[in-house]
Amino acid sequence: DTAVSQTPKYLVTQMGNDKSIKCEQNLGHDTMYWYKQDSKKFLKIMFSYNNKELIINETVPNRFSPKSPDKAHLNLHINSLELGDSAVYFCASTPQGRGHGNTIYFGEGSWLTVV
Amino acid sequence: AQSVTQLDSQVPVFEEAPVELRCNYSSSVSVYLFWYVQYPNQGLQLLLKYLSGSTLVKGINGFEAEFNKSQTSFHLRKPSVHISDTAEYFCAVTNFQGGSEKLVFGKGTKLTVNP
Repeated sequence: DTAVSQTPKYLVTQMGNDKSIKCEQNLGHDTMYWYKQDSKKFLKIMFSYNNKELIINETVPNRFSPKSPDKAHLNLHINSLELGDSAVYFCASTPQGRGHGNTIYFGEGSWLTVV
Repeated sequence: AQSVTQLDSQVPVFEEAPVELRCNYSSSVSVYLFWYVQYPNQGLQLLLKYLSGSTLVKGINGFEAEFNKSQTSFHLRKPSVHISDTAEYFCAVTNFQGGSEKLVFGKGTKLTVNP
């Protein structure tokens, strides 16, 4: 069973469209994240949720809206897609966010291409 | 905020040769340090992590890393690499924000193992 699963894995869409990426973890973790990897492979955190509550929002444009219906799911909705949004988006989770150096488990990534 | 610097963007080596991928961290306080590997078109997988205790940390796939406080380094090593080790390697440090922890990544080192 995949611990952190994301769908879709590949997504090609036109500028201006709205799209969503879904993420689910079956590890019973309390904290979930979205990370973005750009074309130069640089990884940067976008959001962090702890038990459905937004904890970290790293100056991401408000076209990006995460939604956590329950602690096992964290979806990412992107409005009015731009060329610069083309990237790989990784969902991740960890047991809890209280500073114990817990391993963060990553999904396989969602490759978004905006044309 | 704590950060890491990966000193080499690309490291080419021949199969069965030893390799060292360099990582330096910025903080003078306690740190949690990680190495992740990303195989082509895949997600990130934890290789090893340092939280405390022994400064030599052994990970998966024959990799190890040594935490050196005086040099603020956490270099990754493998005595004999295989073609299958060709991948992108990321050093990361934990930062704490709003009661949650997040990984801050270096820019990655692309390891290419040639026959």
